[in-house]
Formats: sequence, C-alpha cells, structure tokens
Amino acid sequence: EAGVAQSPRYKIIEKRQSVAFWCNPISGHATLYWYQQILGQGPKLLIQFQNNGVVDDSQLPKDRFSAERLKGVDSTLKIQPAKLEDSAVYLCASSSNKWDRSGNTIYFGEGSWLTVV
Amino acid sequence: SQQGEEDPQALSIQEGENATMNCSYKTSINNLQWYRQNSGRGLVHLILIRSNEREKHSGRLRVTLDTSKKSSSLLITASRAADTASYFCATDAYNAGNMLTFGGGTRLMVKP
Repeated sequence: EAGVAQSPRYKIIEKRQSVAFWCNPISGHATLYWYQQILGQGPKLLIQFQNNGVVDDSQLPKDRFSAERLKGVDSTLKIQPAKLEDSAVYLCASSSNKWDRSGNTIYFGEGSWLTVV
Repeated sequence: SQQGEEDPQALSIQEGENATMNCSYKTSINNLQWYRQNSGRGLVHLILIRSNEREKHSGRLRVTLDTSKKSSSLLITASRAADTASYFCATDAYNAGNMLTFGGGTRLMVKP
C-alpha cells in the first residue's frame, strides 16, 4: 500500500513570499489532516478534512493560511504571505476512520520542511 | 492547545536498558496512541490503546493506560540504538471527531 505522499520535501522562501504544499493521501482514506510541527515540539493540527469538507480548522491562521481538498482526494496547503515563525515541518496525514483493529490510526507523510528567511 | 504532555522531555540510556516514557492528558478520551518520529522523518504509528483497556503489548513495547489518573506510559524493553527517536502520545478526545491531539514528545537517545 502506497503511503501518504507530500511535496516538496524542502522549501526555503523569504518572508512575505508565498508557498504551497501538496499532499496525496492513502487511497480510499476519507480523512485528511494538515499538521504544523515546529522544531522540538509536537505536531499541531491546522485543518482536518472529511472527504472534501472541513471538519476542523480552528487552529488555522486564516489570514495567511488556506487549504483545499477539491474532489476529496489530494489537498493543497498555501501560506501567503509567509512569516519567519511559519518555519516548520508541515505534515500531511490521512486515516480511513474505520473502527477496525487498528482503530483510528493516522498515517503520516514524510513532511514538507519550510524555512522562512 | 496540546492535550498530552510527555515526561521526561529527554531521556538518554545505554543499549539493553529499558526506557519508560509517560504521558498525561486532560480530558476524557476514546483512545490514546503512541507515535515515533526519527529525525527528519514523518511520524510512525506504534500502538493504540482504547479507553477500556489497561495494558497492551507489541513486541518490545508495553503501553499502560490509567484513565483515573489520565496518564499512560510507554515502556521499551531491551532498547537498541535504532530506538533513538522522538516519541509522542496522541489522544483522541471523546466527541472530538477523530481529531488527534499530540503532546510535546520525549526525545530518546540510546547509546550503543
């Protein structure tokens, strides 16, 4: 089974520029998550999609961050304009939400590392 | 806000020793999960324990859950250098719509 794919893996931009990250979840997974992980901290949920609808985006800084999941499969996370404090790893994850033996296991991609200078 | 808090924040042991990491949380949960993250990589699911379970084993991993104390522990027995990583607990809070909230992690170093 292919895992969660993310691109780009690394990105360096100047503050006030824009950046976009792409995620392809595991096939058939209805739920998609974007997490932000600042160095030395745990991941913080930015937004959760169920199919193409938003379940939770309470911690998404909506003045500069946006995300979409058109057609309920791939997703894009955009930051515009970027600030220095946005330097972090952006992790995409997906889950099937099937309550089987694995419960609500979330599968993570390798992350997109953003450095804002 | 982070629901789970791991303790200790960092742990250094010798190969062959056991490593114990603790996690405390604040609200009622459906389940608690432990994830591992190697440096520069994504998170990998290790084990899930449901709120009605008290202990679970998977290979060299042993997880306990005490819902009365709102705490969990992860024990790695006979540690190996390859176990060096950060370990995070994540809680699936009751009525939170499958949303996982992560703690700050324990950074484990196993010296050969």
